[in-house]
Parts: sequence; C-alpha cells; structure tokens
Amino acid sequence: AQSVTQLGSHVSVSEGALVLLRCNYSSSVPPYLFWYVQYPNQGLQLLLKYTSAATLVKGINGFEAEFKKSETSFHLTKPSAHMSDAAEYFCAVSDWQRDDKIIFGKGTRLHILP
Amino acid sequence: NAGVTQTPKFQVLKTGQSMTLQCAQDMNHNSMYWYRQDPGMGLRLIYYSASEGTTDKGEVPNGYNVSRLNKREFSLRLESAAPSQTSVYFCASSEGRRGIGNTIYFGEGSWLTVV
Repeated sequence: AQSVTQLGSHVSVSEGALVLLRCNYSSSVPPYLFWYVQYPNQGLQLLLKYTSAATLVKGINGFEAEFKKSETSFHLTKPSAHMSDAAEYFCAVSDWQRDDKIIFGKGTRLHILP
Repeated sequence: NAGVTQTPKFQVLKTGQSMTLQCAQDMNHNSMYWYRQDPGMGLRLIYYSASEGTTDKGEVPNGYNVSRLNKREFSLRLESAAPSQTSVYFCASSEGRRGIGNTIYFGEGSWLTVV
C-alpha cells in the first residue's frame, strides 16, 4: 500500500532562512505526489504536485519540490521564509494507476521565528 | 464561488447519538471524500466515492456510513457516536479523471465533539 512519511512534526526556521520540509513515499508504482498547506481553522489547499513530468515542481508562494526516485523523496523547499508561511504542511500520495484516492502524511507544522 | 460546502460547522453529541454531516460541491466533480483530522495523525481517509452510486472504504471506516446521494452530495453518518469520533471532519472533491493527478478541493471542516 502506498504511504508517505513526513520527518519532523514541528520545524522552526528564522524569517529569511531556508525552509526544508521532508517527505518520503512508499509506492509499488511511480506515484503522483502532492504538497498541501493548511492555515489555522481552514481546509487544505494545494501548494504543488508532481505528475511525472518535470522532477522539479514549482508551486505557489515561492515553494518548490523535487521528485527523487532513487531516494523516494519529495522534499518541499523555499529559499527565504516569511512570517505568513507559518502553517501546517501535508505531503500526499496517489496511486493514479489504481484509483483516485489520495493518502496524506501526518503533517509538519512550520514555525517562523522573527 | 462556493466550492465544497459542509454542514454543520460545529456539533456536540452525546455518546450513542446519531448524526449526519452533509457535504455538497458545485464544481461538477466526480470524486468525493471524507477525511478526519486528529492531532499528530494528519488526515485519514474515511470513505471515498469515485462517482455517483459508488463508495469505497478508506483507512478508518469503522463507525461510519456514507451516501453518495447524487453527483453533488456526499453525506457521512455516525450511527452511534463514540468519544473516539471527536475530530475535525473534512469533505473534499476532485475531478476524478485518471492519470492527471487530480487536485483535491476541501471544505472548511466540521468540528465534532462527542461527550
């Protein structure tokens, strides 16, 4: 069964510093991968997704992620953190060859230090 | 632009009571989902519907039933609520086309407390 593992339930970075949120996936077939963001008391919204085209995917708000098959990873990065980036981030995987279900990781809460 | 609308937003239930969470989407999407979100557990899929008239169990279906009433609506029912079902519930939908990496659109959540 497919799954994703997010390393670190909480990550703190200083404003202006690099943001790196880690995600590793497990899937028997090349999956589709997603990053979603959740702001307080809201639903989730899509940041970016990998669908087997370019391995480096750019998303909204300056975020990007790189699909690395050899490492089964899909880490999320942003060069310079902003206070407004404080939120919870979820990595997700879809076994598109079988069905449309999307399975989420446990989430990483990003804290931005002034 | 309503998107995915779920009701109620807040509900307190007594153990053993039943209730239905309603969800509707206005994007003509084929697939609809119910997730629950608990601290430290992320989002876990309860039930999934690929199209009108079909439903499939997710990761944590026990204690829940669903109905895909039509293409727009997907309800979640708790027949006999238990404290372990205290959670935030999210309804979501996606276009449901195979092979394109469908984006999921979420409702704003329903906060359910079972006492």
